[in-house]
Amino acid sequence: GENVEQHPSTLSVQEGDSAVIKCTYSDSASNYFPWYKQELGKRPQLIIDIRSNVGEKKDQRIAVTLNKTAKHFSLHITETQPEDSAVYFCAALNQAGTALIFGKGTTLSVSS
Amino acid sequence: GAVVSQHPSWVICKSGTSVKIECRSLDFQATTMFWYRQFPKQSLMLMATSNEGSKATYEQGVEKDKFLINHASLTLSTLTVTSAHPEDSSFYICSARALIRVSSTEAFFGQGTRLTVV
Repeated sequence: GENVEQHPSTLSVQEGDSAVIKCTYSDSASNYFPWYKQELGKRPQLIIDIRSNVGEKKDQRIAVTLNKTAKHFSLHITETQPEDSAVYFCAALNQAGTALIFGKGTTLSVSS
Repeated sequence: GAVVSQHPSWVICKSGTSVKIECRSLDFQATTMFWYRQFPKQSLMLMATSNEGSKATYEQGVEKDKFLINHASLTLSTLTVTSAHPEDSSFYICSARALIRVSSTEAFFGQGTRLTVV
């Protein structure tokens, strides 16, 4: 089945710096790659997603890039703020194209 | 976005008892719902895929008889943890895919249920 690897597991940055989280996936047929932000004890919230027909998508301070050949995609957060501190999960659709398979998560800490 | 409501948000039960968790899509119809389990500081592990009107599809290693899933309607799926034991204590989260939206691959999550078995 689909396997999603995510790195790093923890990331600490200073306010204003950029943060980059990387994920790789195993199933070349996957075509949908969302990123979720989860605050402690709360539900995951979709922050951005990308489909396999595009290579990059941006939404204000957040961007995602996709390299289908290499089967990896990355989340970029610019001008980080303390409220960006959370756990971020990447995901990819499973082989059946029905369920999301998640990476192990990255705990992002932004210090002011 | 679409709203998925999960109930209860927190439950404590005695070892050996059963607990039912409900997942409802409030403003859309969900042909498919998913149940995830999340241990502290870990990722969301897919347990099963629940399809309306048919049997759930369980992931490898998930006990079907222990985690009973019923998807009785397009807006409700339930997960029953039977004969719960302390090792079943975890955060359980459901998600649903919208039936009518163009981007039907987007998943909407319930708020999660924290189960503690004592």
